[in-house]
Amino acid sequence: DTEVTQTPKHLVMGMTNKKSLKCEQHMGHRAMYWYKQKAKKPPELMFVYSYEKLSINESVPSRFSPECPNSSLLNLHLHALQPEDSALYLCASSQVGLAGDKGNTGELFFGEGSRLTVL
Amino acid sequence: KNEVEQSPQNLTAQEGEFITINCSYSVGISALHWLQQHPGGGIVSLFMLSSGKKKHGRLIATINIQEKHSSLHITASHPRDSAVYICAVRRGETSGSRLTFGEGTQLTVNP
Repeated sequence: DTEVTQTPKHLVMGMTNKKSLKCEQHMGHRAMYWYKQKAKKPPELMFVYSYEKLSINESVPSRFSPECPNSSLLNLHLHALQPEDSALYLCASSQVGLAGDKGNTGELFFGEGSRLTVL
Repeated sequence: KNEVEQSPQNLTAQEGEFITINCSYSVGISALHWLQQHPGGGIVSLFMLSSGKKKHGRLIATINIQEKHSSLHITASHPRDSAVYICAVRRGETSGSRLTFGEGTQLTVNP
Protein backbone atom coordinates (compact mmCIF):
# COMPACT_ATOMS: atom_id res chain seq x y z
CA ASP A 1 0.00 0.00 0.00
CA THR A 2 1.70 3.18 -1.21
CA GLU A 3 -1.27 5.47 -0.81
CA VAL A 4 -1.93 8.57 1.17
CA THR A 5 -5.70 8.92 1.56
CA GLN A 6 -7.32 12.27 2.19
CA THR A 7 -10.93 12.96 3.14
CA PRO A 8 -13.06 14.72 2.24
CA LYS A 9 -12.12 15.40 -1.38
CA HIS A 10 -14.24 18.56 -1.40
CA LEU A 11 -15.41 20.71 1.49
CA VAL A 12 -17.51 23.88 1.50
CA MET A 13 -17.80 25.71 4.78
CA GLY A 14 -18.92 29.02 6.16
CA MET A 15 -16.67 31.32 8.14
CA THR A 16 -18.26 30.28 11.43
CA ASN A 17 -18.10 26.54 10.84
CA LYS A 18 -15.74 24.03 12.44
CA LYS A 19 -14.58 21.21 10.19
CA SER A 20 -11.65 18.82 9.87
CA LEU A 21 -9.54 17.41 7.08
CA LYS A 22 -8.18 13.91 7.51
CA CYS A 23 -5.16 12.13 6.13
CA GLU A 24 -4.16 8.49 6.51
CA GLN A 25 -1.19 6.38 5.39
CA HIS A 26 -0.15 2.81 6.16
CA MET A 27 3.38 2.86 4.79
CA GLY A 28 4.99 3.12 8.21
CA HIS A 29 6.08 6.67 7.48
CA ARG A 30 6.81 8.68 10.62
CA ALA A 31 6.90 12.12 8.94
CA MET A 32 3.64 13.67 7.78
CA TYR A 33 3.03 17.05 6.21
CA TRP A 34 0.27 19.53 5.45
CA TYR A 35 0.65 21.76 2.40
CA LYS A 36 -1.63 24.50 1.09
CA GLN A 37 -1.83 25.14 -2.64
CA LYS A 38 -3.55 28.06 -4.36
CA ALA A 39 -4.46 27.87 -8.05
CA LYS A 40 -1.48 27.87 -10.43
CA LYS A 41 0.97 28.14 -7.53
CA PRO A 42 3.32 25.57 -6.01
CA PRO A 43 2.44 23.98 -2.65
CA GLU A 44 3.31 25.92 0.51
CA LEU A 45 4.37 24.00 3.58
CA MET A 46 2.15 24.50 6.62
CA PHE A 47 3.10 21.85 9.19
CA VAL A 48 5.44 18.90 9.61
CA TYR A 49 4.99 16.11 12.14
CA SER A 50 7.88 13.83 12.96
CA TYR A 51 7.21 10.82 15.20
CA GLU A 52 3.78 12.27 15.99
CA LYS A 53 5.28 15.50 17.29
CA LEU A 54 4.95 18.87 15.59
CA SER A 55 8.39 19.74 14.27
CA ILE A 56 7.67 22.58 11.85
CA ASN A 57 4.93 25.21 11.93
CA GLU A 58 5.40 27.73 9.14
CA SER A 59 3.75 30.58 11.06
CA VAL A 60 0.31 29.29 10.15
CA PRO A 61 -2.67 31.21 11.66
CA SER A 62 -4.21 29.55 14.68
CA ARG A 63 -7.50 29.04 12.85
CA PHE A 64 -5.67 26.01 11.41
CA SER A 65 -4.95 23.43 14.10
CA PRO A 66 -3.06 20.24 13.21
CA GLU A 67 -3.26 17.01 15.13
CA CYS A 68 -1.40 13.72 14.78
CA PRO A 69 -3.27 11.18 16.96
CA ASN A 70 -1.12 8.25 15.86
CA SER A 71 1.56 7.32 13.36
CA SER A 72 -0.95 6.68 10.55
CA LEU A 73 -3.28 9.65 10.93
CA LEU A 74 -2.96 13.38 10.47
CA ASN A 75 -5.82 15.83 10.94
CA LEU A 76 -6.20 19.50 10.18
CA HIS A 77 -8.90 21.19 12.24
CA LEU A 78 -10.44 24.29 10.69
CA HIS A 79 -12.26 27.03 12.58
CA ALA A 80 -13.29 30.59 11.72
CA LEU A 81 -11.65 30.45 8.32
CA GLN A 82 -11.60 33.30 5.84
CA PRO A 83 -12.51 33.16 2.13
CA GLU A 84 -8.82 33.59 1.27
CA ASP A 85 -8.17 30.24 2.96
CA SER A 86 -9.94 28.55 0.05
CA ALA A 87 -7.34 26.30 -1.54
CA LEU A 88 -6.27 22.71 -2.15
CA TYR A 89 -4.89 21.18 1.04
CA LEU A 90 -2.39 18.40 0.41
CA CYS A 91 -1.15 15.83 2.86
CA ALA A 92 2.15 14.04 2.34
CA SER A 93 4.25 11.49 4.15
CA SER A 94 7.81 10.22 4.09
CA GLN A 95 10.27 8.23 6.10
CA VAL A 96 12.20 10.17 8.72
CA GLY A 97 15.94 10.50 8.84
CA LEU A 98 18.78 10.57 6.38
CA ALA A 99 17.88 9.65 2.83
CA GLY A 100 19.80 6.52 1.90
CA ASP A 101 19.98 5.36 5.51
CA LYS A 102 18.30 2.02 6.35
CA GLY A 103 16.45 1.90 3.05
CA ASN A 104 15.09 5.43 3.37
CA THR A 105 14.48 6.57 -0.19
CA GLY A 106 13.69 10.11 0.92
CA GLU A 107 10.69 10.05 -1.36
CA LEU A 108 7.60 12.09 -0.56
CA PHE A 109 4.15 10.55 -1.08
CA PHE A 110 1.25 12.94 -1.60
CA GLY A 111 -2.48 12.47 -1.24
CA GLU A 112 -5.02 13.63 -3.81
CA GLY A 113 -5.83 16.69 -1.76
CA SER A 114 -8.92 18.20 -0.16
CA ARG A 115 -10.34 21.14 -2.06
CA LEU A 116 -11.67 23.65 0.47
CA THR A 117 -14.05 26.50 -0.32
CA VAL A 118 -14.79 29.03 2.40
CA LEU A 119 -17.90 31.12 1.79
CA LYS B 1 15.05 35.79 -7.84
CA ASN B 2 13.48 32.45 -6.84
CA GLU B 3 15.79 29.83 -5.42
CA VAL B 4 14.31 27.32 -7.88
CA GLU B 5 13.62 28.36 -11.46
CA GLN B 6 11.87 26.19 -14.02
CA SER B 7 11.65 26.64 -17.75
CA PRO B 8 9.61 26.80 -19.75
CA GLN B 9 6.54 27.90 -17.79
CA ASN B 10 4.26 26.51 -20.47
CA LEU B 11 4.98 23.91 -23.11
CA THR B 12 2.76 22.58 -25.87
CA ALA B 13 3.86 19.56 -27.86
CA GLN B 14 2.51 17.13 -30.41
CA GLU B 15 2.10 13.50 -29.50
CA GLY B 16 5.34 11.62 -29.99
CA GLU B 17 7.66 14.58 -29.47
CA PHE B 18 10.65 14.51 -27.14
CA ILE B 19 10.16 16.96 -24.28
CA THR B 20 12.63 18.60 -21.95
CA ILE B 21 11.81 20.61 -18.84
CA ASN B 22 14.62 22.39 -17.05
CA CYS B 23 15.20 23.28 -13.41
CA SER B 24 17.95 25.51 -12.05
CA TYR B 25 18.56 26.21 -8.39
CA SER B 26 20.79 28.62 -6.54
CA VAL B 27 21.24 26.94 -3.15
CA GLY B 28 23.04 23.90 -1.81
CA ILE B 29 20.77 20.89 -1.82
CA SER B 30 20.72 17.32 -0.58
CA ALA B 31 18.18 16.11 -3.14
CA LEU B 32 15.96 17.25 -5.98
CA HIS B 33 12.45 15.96 -6.62
CA TRP B 34 10.47 15.93 -9.84
CA LEU B 35 6.72 15.87 -9.19
CA GLN B 36 3.71 15.58 -11.49
CA GLN B 37 0.36 17.17 -10.79
CA HIS B 38 -2.71 16.43 -12.90
CA PRO B 39 -5.77 18.69 -13.01
CA GLY B 40 -7.83 17.93 -9.95
CA GLY B 41 -4.92 18.06 -7.61
CA GLY B 42 -3.06 14.89 -6.67
CA ILE B 43 0.74 15.07 -6.79
CA VAL B 44 2.82 12.09 -7.82
CA SER B 45 6.51 11.84 -7.07
CA LEU B 46 8.34 10.94 -10.29
CA PHE B 47 11.97 11.02 -9.22
CA MET B 48 14.22 11.91 -6.35
CA LEU B 49 17.81 12.61 -7.39
CA SER B 50 20.98 13.48 -5.60
CA SER B 51 23.35 12.73 -8.47
CA GLY B 52 23.50 11.34 -11.99
CA LYS B 53 20.53 10.07 -13.90
CA LYS B 54 17.39 8.01 -13.34
CA LYS B 55 15.01 6.43 -15.83
CA HIS B 56 11.49 5.16 -15.37
CA GLY B 57 9.61 4.11 -18.47
CA ARG B 58 9.53 7.06 -20.87
CA LEU B 59 10.77 9.49 -18.23
CA ILE B 60 14.41 10.35 -17.65
CA ALA B 61 15.75 12.76 -15.04
CA THR B 62 19.28 14.06 -14.82
CA ILE B 63 21.05 16.31 -12.38
CA ASN B 64 24.35 18.18 -12.53
CA ILE B 65 25.28 19.16 -9.00
CA GLN B 66 28.19 21.38 -10.04
CA GLU B 67 26.02 23.38 -12.44
CA LYS B 68 23.01 23.31 -10.09
CA HIS B 69 20.77 22.13 -12.90
CA SER B 70 18.36 19.28 -13.52
CA SER B 71 16.35 18.22 -16.54
CA LEU B 72 13.28 16.05 -16.94
CA HIS B 73 12.89 14.39 -20.32
CA ILE B 74 9.82 12.67 -21.70
CA THR B 75 10.33 10.47 -24.74
CA ALA B 76 7.48 9.65 -27.14
CA SER B 77 5.13 12.05 -25.39
CA HIS B 78 1.46 11.19 -25.09
CA PRO B 79 -1.64 13.27 -24.28
CA ARG B 80 -1.85 11.55 -20.88
CA ASP B 81 1.48 13.21 -20.03
CA SER B 82 -0.36 16.55 -19.96
CA ALA B 83 0.09 17.86 -16.43
CA VAL B 84 2.05 20.35 -14.36
CA TYR B 85 5.61 19.22 -13.66
CA ILE B 86 7.18 20.64 -10.53
CA CYS B 87 10.83 20.68 -9.50
CA ALA B 88 11.49 20.82 -5.76
CA VAL B 89 14.78 20.88 -3.87
CA ARG B 90 15.50 19.68 -0.36
CA ARG B 91 17.94 21.77 1.62
CA GLY B 92 18.52 19.61 4.67
CA GLU B 93 19.83 16.09 4.94
CA THR B 94 16.75 14.47 6.42
CA SER B 95 13.58 13.41 4.67
CA GLY B 96 11.55 15.80 6.82
CA SER B 97 13.47 18.86 5.65
CA ARG B 98 11.66 21.67 3.90
CA LEU B 99 11.22 21.48 0.14
CA THR B 100 11.56 24.61 -1.99
CA PHE B 101 9.33 24.35 -5.04
CA GLY B 102 9.65 25.78 -8.50
CA GLU B 103 6.64 27.46 -10.08
CA GLY B 104 5.91 24.44 -12.25
CA THR B 105 5.77 23.79 -15.99
CA GLN B 106 2.36 23.30 -17.58
CA LEU B 107 2.75 20.65 -20.29
CA THR B 108 0.05 20.07 -22.88
CA VAL B 109 0.50 17.22 -25.34
CA ASN B 110 -1.90 17.34 -28.27
CA PRO B 111 -2.94 14.19 -30.17
